[in-house]
Amino acid sequence: QKEVEQNSGPLSVPEGAIASLNCTYSDRGSQSFFWYRQYSGKSPELIMFIYSNGDKEDGRFTAQLNKASQYVSLLIRDSQPSDSATYLCAVNMRFSGTYKYIFGTGTRLKVLA
Amino acid sequence: DVKVTQSSRYLVKRTGEKVFLECVQDMDHENMFWYRQDPGLGLRLIYFSYDVKMKEKGDIPEGYSVSREKKERFSLILESASTNQTSMYLCASSYKELFFGEGSRLTVL
Repeated sequence: QKEVEQNSGPLSVPEGAIASLNCTYSDRGSQSFFWYRQYSGKSPELIMFIYSNGDKEDGRFTAQLNKASQYVSLLIRDSQPSDSATYLCAVNMRFSGTYKYIFGTGTRLKVLA
Repeated sequence: DVKVTQSSRYLVKRTGEKVFLECVQDMDHENMFWYRQDPGLGLRLIYFSYDVKMKEKGDIPEGYSVSREKKERFSLILESASTNQTSMYLCASSYKELFFGEGSRLTVL
């Protein structure tokens, strides 16, 4: 069973702090990794994607990928109450000649004002 | 910007009714997907399509069918709706990154 695992949380951080969200995946051959933000009652919104080992920064967000250890993380600097949402990790995995996007169940983040 | 449009945001149907959920994307993506999302279960793939008239079963295809007659349109069909199909249904399209529509919340009574 190919899986993506996330801690469900909630993860509570004070406003202005760094929020660190983690994700592990089972398929060593995976090449593409994504982070989505989902507000309650809304659809997931893509915020970061990463394809290579290392760090990728976009504004207050940094995605980190370590393929050897099979984990991907998302750091949110200077967290704001508006960052309170569920964050979904997704991995593009190969299944019998096709690729599917497999999602974790999400980590709920609460940023406390 | 990628636009994925789902035809209905909220639907209420009765058990046994046939339900159509329509999805249109405007980015000429070849890949389109239907997911359902339920509390505690996350996003589960129902069907996907990599080309016109082509479909592949996802993880939970039972009770559903799909149609892809045109590249930009991917429809999900519930032949005979049941209460356990009450859920949020999400359509998505991709080239590399996956983009979602706003979702269709279906209630089956």
